[in-house]
Amino acid sequence: AQTVTQSQPEMSVQEAETVTLSCTYDTSENNYYLFWYKQPPSRQMILVIRQEAYKQQNATENRFSVNFQKAAKSFSLKISDSQLGDTAMYFCAFMKPGTYKYIFGTGTRLKVLA
Amino acid sequence: DTAVSQTPKYLVTQMGNDKSIKCEQNLGHDTMYWYKQDSKKFLKIMFSYNNKELIINETVPNRFSPKSPDKAHLNLHINSLELGDSAVYFCASSQGGGQWNTEAFFGQGTRLTVV
Repeated sequence: AQTVTQSQPEMSVQEAETVTLSCTYDTSENNYYLFWYKQPPSRQMILVIRQEAYKQQNATENRFSVNFQKAAKSFSLKISDSQLGDTAMYFCAFMKPGTYKYIFGTGTRLKVLA
Repeated sequence: DTAVSQTPKYLVTQMGNDKSIKCEQNLGHDTMYWYKQDSKKFLKIMFSYNNKELIINETVPNRFSPKSPDKAHLNLHINSLELGDSAVYFCASSQGGGQWNTEAFFGQGTRLTVV
């Protein structure tokens, strides 16, 4: 069974600094998807970034980028120029096509300090 | 226009009652889900439906009964509510299921409190 591990329960970063959130996963599959979701205090789950396992290039979305290491089964999220609005829980998620479920990690609570 | 909407946003009820949560998506997706988020923020799949057919029932008690009248709707009915059912319930949808998938789009969640 696939598992997703986020080893950092809480992190903090100064405004305008860069922070990296870690995620590792366990699978024997070759084709899958990885995601980072943000959950601010409003409770809404918001997609931050997605990565297809067959793509070697790391995904980027503005200030958000990932470091996808397929052999190491690692999928970290880098947030550059952190903003106060980035304060939220961040969840890493794994999805194997055809399984009809997204498997989430336990989350990292990120606090951006003014 | 909200892509995935669920109602109500908050639900406070007594033990033993029966309640329903409704979910609708206007994205044209063919797969819908119910997730439960516990007090430690852990998100766990409960059910998934593809084209109105139940695909996953992740060892959820029989008191929970999902119903999908069409591809755009997935409701959750809970009988005989227990204190341990208190949680945030998320509805989500996605497109795909074969060899490709979109990301999941989530509703705003329903905070259920059983007293």
